[in-house]
Amino acid sequence: DAGITQSPRHKVTETGTPVTLRCHQTENHRYMYWYRQDPGHGLRLIHYSYGVKDTDKGEVSDGYSVSRSKTEDFLLTLESATSSQTSVYFCAISLAQNTDTQYFGPGTRLTVL
Amino acid sequence: DQQVKQNSPSLSVQEGRISILNCDYTNSMFDYFLWYKKYPAEGPTFLISISSIKDKNEDGRFTVFLNKSAKHLSLHIVPSQPGDSAVYFCAARGRTSGSRLTFGEGTQLTVNP
Repeated sequence: DAGITQSPRHKVTETGTPVTLRCHQTENHRYMYWYRQDPGHGLRLIHYSYGVKDTDKGEVSDGYSVSRSKTEDFLLTLESATSSQTSVYFCAISLAQNTDTQYFGPGTRLTVL
Repeated sequence: DQQVKQNSPSLSVQEGRISILNCDYTNSMFDYFLWYKKYPAEGPTFLISISSIKDKNEDGRFTVFLNKSAKHLSLHIVPSQPGDSAVYFCAARGRTSGSRLTFGEGTQLTVNP
């Protein structure tokens, strides 16, 4: 199994509060991704990173920001959480850009009340 | 605009029989396809992939077929086992999308003993 951890694994928060989710990898993979999984939508890409300090938006990036100051850590921040951001969040990593598979972390279940 | 679609939310089969999971895509720029399996409370795990230059790829009990003209791929599991019960996601990557994957909605497979 790829060495990917996510913290926290579960979080309940209130609307309007900031939330930061952390993804940590021990594989030294260059590419890291944040997805959300919702019923009927599968997995949708929020943001991704192709190196330290290099990030880009995915298909559902509104309301989210990311940072990557070290190869091993990729942070996802909800500046002001909304109920529509209640979801399961997955981090993934991949070694190379083309033909390589992505390996996923265990997920964070976030509930925004 | 759902570019990757799994039209069957669920599939139930008997142990020992064949499971066939289907996936359709609309973007002709997709050139690499993957299947992931997901158990409850875990992250998706990579199962099998296929490049658009092939029409079949086999790995043990798992075979993926690609029909480019129909923009359709399928995953065959033979024989099906109760441990195969999980949600299966198909995903696609485009020539111009770098390492980003587009996922389908998922199909819940249940294999009955």
